[in-house]
Amino acid sequence: GAVVSQHPSRVICKSGTSVKIECRSLDFQATTMFWYRQFPKQSLMLMATSNEGSKATYEQGVEKDKFLINHASLTLSTLTVTSAHPEDSSFYICSALGSWETQYFGPGTRLLVL
Amino acid sequence: DQQVKQNSPSLSVQEGRISILNCDYTNSMFDYFLWYKKYPAEGPTFLISISSIKDKNEDGRFTVFLNKSAKHLSLHIVPSQPGDSAVYFCAASTSTGNQFYFGTGTSLTVIP
Repeated sequence: GAVVSQHPSRVICKSGTSVKIECRSLDFQATTMFWYRQFPKQSLMLMATSNEGSKATYEQGVEKDKFLINHASLTLSTLTVTSAHPEDSSFYICSALGSWETQYFGPGTRLLVL
Repeated sequence: DQQVKQNSPSLSVQEGRISILNCDYTNSMFDYFLWYKKYPAEGPTFLISISSIKDKNEDGRFTVFLNKSAKHLSLHIVPSQPGDSAVYFCAASTSTGNQFYFGTGTSLTVIP
């Protein structure tokens, strides 16, 4: 079955540094990937839709200059949290759209900014 | 390989009847399970969860059942309402909570 991986699974960084999170579709090509952030009560907030070869579409309230998304290939999308601050500490999950509009989620990346 | 599977991509149910959504997992280390509801163009919304120390958790019209020996959980919605029409994802994690594993979702349609 289709699998989506995320790397790293966990990262701790200092305030002010940038962190890159990778999302890969391992056995299928995905022109569309999504990035989510997990909030209290465990709901996932859609941050942006990443389309291969074009600019990401950000949801309202998400700073595109802070959360840089690059979807350079059909199997890889990256989310870079620039100048991270403690309030950016969260769980970030990506998903990739496979055939028949099936959404495959990655296992998530836990970010802790000190 | 997918560690959490939802083998029914879609389900249609008449309004007022029971909806049963199923989820199977392979990793016996999973001990916390969640169900999410997702509308188009939105992120999945947390619905209900269950830990492995329980075999049932109920919240209003929603009940989740866990069968650890079968590595199976199910979500029951009764009575089903048209507003319940959405895609439902199950997810599993270990007690450390560092990673979540999602199924591929079941699209529920409740027919008025």
